[in-house]
Amino acid sequence: GAGVSQSPRYKVAKRGQDVALRCDPISGHVSLFWYQQALGQGPEFLTYFQNEAQLDKSGLPSDRFFAERPEGSVSTLKIQRTQQEDSAVYLCASSSLRQDTEAFFGQGTRLTVV
Amino acid sequence: GESVGLHLPTLSVQEGDNSIINCAYSNSASDYFIWYKQESGKGPQFIIDIRSNMDKRQGQRVTVLLNKTVKHLSLQIAATQPGDSAVYFCAENAGNMLTFGGGTRLMVKP
Repeated sequence: GAGVSQSPRYKVAKRGQDVALRCDPISGHVSLFWYQQALGQGPEFLTYFQNEAQLDKSGLPSDRFFAERPEGSVSTLKIQRTQQEDSAVYLCASSSLRQDTEAFFGQGTRLTVV
Repeated sequence: GESVGLHLPTLSVQEGDNSIINCAYSNSASDYFIWYKQESGKGPQFIIDIRSNMDKRQGQRVTVLLNKTVKHLSLQIAATQPGDSAVYFCAENAGNMLTFGGGTRLMVKP
């Protein structure tokens, strides 16, 4: 596709439920990032993939958060046993490998845990 | 840890005026900076970038200034339009990830 695509756009989960958020990056982009954005805040880094390798997961807030990119393209962010504090917009971005190039963002998935 | 931050959370300007949004960064290892615009319900959208070997870069109606001495970044928008109303984030790249500041909301009054 022309841009980064994320699904679903909105997700309401009951506390304790597991959720899976999908990201389709721009075709050919090696780098893929997940960010968490709380209301009124800037995006906070969660994790980074280069192809299928997860090179940095230092931003994942707990072991309930898990991300994968098994074939180096589509990525899934999974949150187990969701808590209310997990409510946020989850943004995916992709870029080419060069460090000094922009990252293109998807529209995000708004997760609301009730 | 080191982070990117902004001085003003909200900026209100008259349509047609110039806008200046400021950002302070603290990671001296950062060598690439980006300004993003985020409208409600959308992901951040690239506006302009600048590398650390430059101190100024101009785009269409936008200019980014980088002062490495005081670790300061600014975004200037000329002839601000209602469509410029959004939240603006600066981001720095020092490695494999972008670190974002808290954002400034720009409100354009007609």
